[in-house]
Order: sequence, then C-alpha cells, then structure tokens
Amino acid sequence: QVQLQESGPGLVKPSQTLSLTCTVSGGSISSGSYYWSWIRQPAGKGLEWIGRIYTSGSTNYNPSLKSRVTISVDTSKNQFSLKLSSVTAADTAVYYCAREPVTYYYDSSGYYYRLRAFDIWGQGTMVTVSS
Amino acid sequence: DIVMTQTPLSLSVTPGQPASISCKSSQSLLHSDGKTYLYWYLQKPGQSPQLLIYEVSNRFSGVPDRFSGSGSGTDFTLKISRVEAEDVGVYYCMQSIQLPLFTFGPGTKVDIK
Repeated sequence: QVQLQESGPGLVKPSQTLSLTCTVSGGSISSGSYYWSWIRQPAGKGLEWIGRIYTSGSTNYNPSLKSRVTISVDTSKNQFSLKLSSVTAADTAVYYCAREPVTYYYDSSGYYYRLRAFDIWGQGTMVTVSS
Repeated sequence: DIVMTQTPLSLSVTPGQPASISCKSSQSLLHSDGKTYLYWYLQKPGQSPQLLIYEVSNRFSGVPDRFSGSGSGTDFTLKISRVEAEDVGVYYCMQSIQLPLFTFGPGTKVDIK
C-alpha cells in the first residue's frame, strides 16, 4: 500500500530555510489522483495545514504562511518537498506529509463522494529551530 | 477564516462507557453542493492522525462501528458507543468547505480512567 516518509534536517537555525522531502512509495505521485500536502504540529498543540501541490505543480498555501512557503514536486523521484524560509522558534514542530484524493468514490453503502481530507499520512519528522 | 472549536478539551472515560465530543465551526460547513465537509481524526499516542469519519457521519474504511458522527451546519458530535483502551488519543475535527484551506479544531484528549 502507499506509504509516505518525511526526511530532512532535524535542526535548523533561526532565520534560515527549513527544507523537507516526502517520499511516496507503493504508488505514483504522478497518477493525477491526489493532492500532496504538508501539515505541522507544534509540540503539545494542534494541527496546522501548510500547503499542497498537485502533480501538475499547481500549489495552494495557507495564507498565514504563504509568504514563506514553497512546495515543489519531483515526479522522477516520486517526491514532493517543503521549503519554509526565515524560520523562528515558532516553526518548531513535527512536520507531516499527507495525501488528499481528488477522485470520487462509491463507499460500501453506495454513497458517492470525494474525500476532501487526508487519507494517508507520513509518520512525521521533528524539526527544531534553534541556534 | 473558519474557526473550529471543540469541547471538552479532555475526557477521561471508563472502558465500556460511551464518550461524546462536540465540534463547532464559526461558519456553516454546508456546501452549495449539498454536502457538509466536516471530518474527524484520531491521533493515537506517538502516531500520525488517522481518519475516522468523513462528511459528518460516514465511517472511513476499517473504522469500527462504535464510532459515529452526527450534526449539521455548525454543530457536530463524535460519539464512541463503548470506549476501548485502543481509543485513547487526541480527536480532531477538521473542515474543508473553504478549500484550499483546511482548518482543524484544537483537539480533545481522551484517556481511560
């Protein structure tokens, strides 16, 4: 089955750029059937959606982070990446990558729907911003 | 932006007893397509969130039927009919009516008495 795995430095200095990669295994990132998102969770706090990318390279970002975020995709490596610039201690968090389907399904009761949510998540990677 | 709130923020439950979590949104989650884009996740200790409920009341694949969701508009509820030890963790509601912006509730921590 499809699995997502985040990777990248666990420690980033203030004012620098945080860079993470999500590797997709068990399926093709180029299938066109999914958006690929980044979500973060500061220690002991809730979940914040950062942004997403489609196979075409089209992106959407959380307005609260938009000025500092870039998400890109590398279909040849079956990966997508996150860059967050000018980081501060407030960016310390567990960062997750996640998949959002764009196709419609019939569920077991015959209900026709598109899951506007994240059905598969990576295990998460902790990033600390500190000098 | 839509703000999601949850009550209670923590809940201690005796195994076999029911549990209920409330989620409220600052705006209606009823879309013009007739669907309501409210979801529930469970984040077990040390794990990533897992999807429980989609569109208010539909259980995701593999989710036990002791979990049920209800509600409409701005008020929603997740119920566990008989809590089991494996149900401990933090429960989050999430809205996606305002795509491409997803927002989560603050979470409700459920533990076992």
